[in-house]
Amino acid sequence: AQSVTQLDSQVPVFEEAPVELRCNYSSSVSVYLFWYVQYPNQGLQLLLKYLSGSTLVKGINGFEAEFNKSQTSFHLRKPSVHISDTAEYFCAVSLSGGSYIPTFGRGTSLIVHP
Amino acid sequence: GAGVSQSPSNKVTEKGKDVELRCDPISGHTALYWYRQSLGQGLEFLIYFQGNSAPDKSGLPSDRFSAERTGGSVSTLTIQRTQQEDSAVYLCASSVGSGPDTQYFGPGTRLTVL
Repeated sequence: AQSVTQLDSQVPVFEEAPVELRCNYSSSVSVYLFWYVQYPNQGLQLLLKYLSGSTLVKGINGFEAEFNKSQTSFHLRKPSVHISDTAEYFCAVSLSGGSYIPTFGRGTSLIVHP
Repeated sequence: GAGVSQSPSNKVTEKGKDVELRCDPISGHTALYWYRQSLGQGLEFLIYFQGNSAPDKSGLPSDRFSAERTGGSVSTLTIQRTQQEDSAVYLCASSVGSGPDTQYFGPGTRLTVL
């Protein structure tokens, strides 16, 4: 079975600063990887996903993530954050070749200060 | 187009009562998921429907939880004899097919058991 670890429950950052939200997974088979964002009082929406191909994935709102197979990581980055990026971010992993039901991490709360 | 909708948005009930939560997926989406989101716990998978296949119930925490999906569209999650630990936000998501597709989430139902 797969598992996902988001090491940081909360990440405070100042506006226009860069940010990295960490995600590590464990799996014995190939995986698909996702980042979802949940803005206050809204449902989750997809930021980006890695299925295959280039390990650098670009998503909406200027976010990107890099799949690192050797380190089993899929960290999310943004070079300059805005107040509007304040939200809960969830990393998820699903297994290739089987049930695609994703396993979600516990989430990281990104708090952007002015 | 219309997204995933859930009703009610909030439900307060007394311990021991039964509750029904409804999910209307995006039209044409064959896959439907139910999750439970507790504070600081991330998303917990409950049940997965795919087309006419038997549902994957592996995430249901007890036999007090059940779900059905009628006509391959609307789904109802039923919790019998509710307990205080059932208090959480219940999320529904749908996706196009059975692969590692993007999940589209509803706004959730916040259940409070007194």
